[in-house]
Amino acid sequence: DTAVSQTPKYLVTQMGNDKSIKCEQNLGHDTMYWYKQDSKKFLKIMFSYNNKELIINETVPNRFSPKSPDKAHLNLHINSLELGDSAVYFCASSYTVGGAQETQYFGPGTRLLVL
Amino acid sequence: GQQVMQIPQYQHVQEGEDFTTYCNSSTTLSNIQWYKQRPGGHPVFLIQLVKSGEVKKQKRLTFQFGEAKKNSSLHITATQTTDVGTYFCAGGDDYKLSFGAGTTVTVRA
Repeated sequence: DTAVSQTPKYLVTQMGNDKSIKCEQNLGHDTMYWYKQDSKKFLKIMFSYNNKELIINETVPNRFSPKSPDKAHLNLHINSLELGDSAVYFCASSYTVGGAQETQYFGPGTRLLVL
Repeated sequence: GQQVMQIPQYQHVQEGEDFTTYCNSSTTLSNIQWYKQRPGGHPVFLIQLVKSGEVKKQKRLTFQFGEAKKNSSLHITATQTTDVGTYFCAGGDDYKLSFGAGTTVTVRA
């Protein structure tokens, strides 16, 4: 059974388009995340939701809009895609206990290429 | 804000040799986690350290959390080709894990 799943796995699109990436976890976790990993493998947190409430919103262009319809899903919509948005986007989930984050489980990643 | 620095960025190791990657935080951490990402894969949890001075071992991997809970290290002995990948430390504080830049390990057979 897949713990954290993301769709699509690959996304190739033209500059200026709008696209969405979906994430689902079946682990019963209360916290979900979006990370961006660039070509140098640096993992940068973008957003985090705890029980559907946005708790982390790093310095990310407002072209990026997360949405959590329920605790098991966290989607990421990107408007007006730019070349610099090309990266691997990872969804992750975890429990948060007493304010401390437990083990994060990562999805397989969505490889976005903007042409 | 909290920053986690990790060195070295790259580690080229002869098979059979040992190496260590280091992680330092600008603030005291509630816990430190280590992840491994194989080429083309996603980060996978290895271990979590919570207590000051804690040392944990997983076969050839030894993880250590500093006394001040501001630094950590991962030491791998007798490196094998299966150790190839990027190792990330991640410092826990509040609702956020701050990931280091990772150490990418390549192994010469």
